[in-house]
Amino acid sequence: GQQVMQIPQYQHVQEGEDFTTYCNSSTTLSNIQWYKQRPGGHPVFLIQLVKSGEVKKQKRLTFQFGEAKKNSSLHITATQTTDVGTYFCAGEGGGSEKLVFGKGTKLTVNP
Amino acid sequence: GAVVSQHPSRVICKSGTSVKIECRSLDFQATTMFWYRQFPKQSLMLMATSNEGSKATYEQGVEKDKFLINHASLTLSTLTVTSAHPEDSSFYICSAEGWLEETQYFGPGTRLLVL
Repeated sequence: GQQVMQIPQYQHVQEGEDFTTYCNSSTTLSNIQWYKQRPGGHPVFLIQLVKSGEVKKQKRLTFQFGEAKKNSSLHITATQTTDVGTYFCAGEGGGSEKLVFGKGTKLTVNP
Repeated sequence: GAVVSQHPSRVICKSGTSVKIECRSLDFQATTMFWYRQFPKQSLMLMATSNEGSKATYEQGVEKDKFLINHASLTLSTLTVTSAHPEDSSFYICSAEGWLEETQYFGPGTRLLVL
């Protein structure tokens, strides 16, 4: 079945450093979504990417969808302590309407 | 944007009792609802997919007799954890998708603690 691999599993950075998490799908995706889960909270939808090669920005966050629609990345520029949390990617595709989540990348930021 | 609510947000129950969790789409009709479970420090795990008016489709390894799902209307799906045990303690999240939606909208989740 469809699998979504996400790396790294954990990332610890100093405040001000950049951070990137990557997702790779075993199948071509119709879309990929990114979620942020704060400690103790529930996943909050950040963005959805649909088009091949799409790049979207939200302030310090940059989301990319690969040309083959099988990989994606989330890049945070100059991390802040408010960026702490687990970032999940979730892919939909492969003929299924299921949203398959990656295992998430837990980001900690040292002030 | 589309809003999905869940009730209750937290529940503590004794072992052996049943717990019902409601998932509602507040401003759109959800033809499909999904139920996820999240173990501590792990990703969301899809438990089942329910379409309005039909039986839910359960993922492999999920006991359908233990996790009863009902999707009786286009705005409401319920998950009932029957005869709950401590190992059922977890964070349960629903999501909803409508005819015109290209994405799933997640509810805020329900934290279940079985003593």
